[in-house]
Amino acid sequence: GQSLEQPSEVTAVEGAIVQINCTYQTSGFYGLSWYQQHDGGAPTFLSYNALDGLEETGRFSSFLSRSDSYGYLLLQELQMKDSASYFCAVPTGTASKLTFGTGTRLQVTL
Amino acid sequence: SAVISQKPSRDICQRGTSLTIQCQVDSQVTMMFWYRQQPGQSLTLIATANQGSEATYESGFVIDKFPISRPNLTFSTLTVSNLSPEDSSIYLCSVSVENNQPQHFGDGTRLSIL
Repeated sequence: GQSLEQPSEVTAVEGAIVQINCTYQTSGFYGLSWYQQHDGGAPTFLSYNALDGLEETGRFSSFLSRSDSYGYLLLQELQMKDSASYFCAVPTGTASKLTFGTGTRLQVTL
Repeated sequence: SAVISQKPSRDICQRGTSLTIQCQVDSQVTMMFWYRQQPGQSLTLIATANQGSEATYESGFVIDKFPISRPNLTFSTLTVSNLSPEDSSIYLCSVSVENNQPQHFGDGTRLSIL
């Protein structure tokens, strides 16, 4: 089976940098995705890492280490609008269905 | 990315009744999925909606409780049958244009059971 663990909550101040970790155990691995979900909203795709290393997209970066079964999402120059839940996810099998992590609730404060 | 319309956005239903949720996409997509998100929890895959054939259900989910249709490449329905309070959740449709491409989600259906 698949399991992905994340910290349940993270708090950071506006303008700071925060890292949200994800450790996974999977049978077969194709890559690691990250999704953002605001309260009452739909999950939105942020990034996907198929290979080791850092992928940067604006203020957000995502990192993967396949040998450590570990990845993280890095959010820089935090803004109040970044307050949301963040989920890592892995595709499983050939149908690309996703198994989601436990989720991290990020609270950005002034 | 594809525009996904999910209806209804929310509903309150009586115990023992059923609710059918629709997911309409503005372009043809290869993959369509249905997820459940219980209050304060992560997303759990219910099933993969297969065009023209029976859906593929995940462990713990059965067709009698969650019948799914997918008559074409742009539309799917999920029915939640014989509703009980434990079915109070957000139900989400997601699509992927092609296999191994990112999934994109509809806004979800918030279901409450009286």
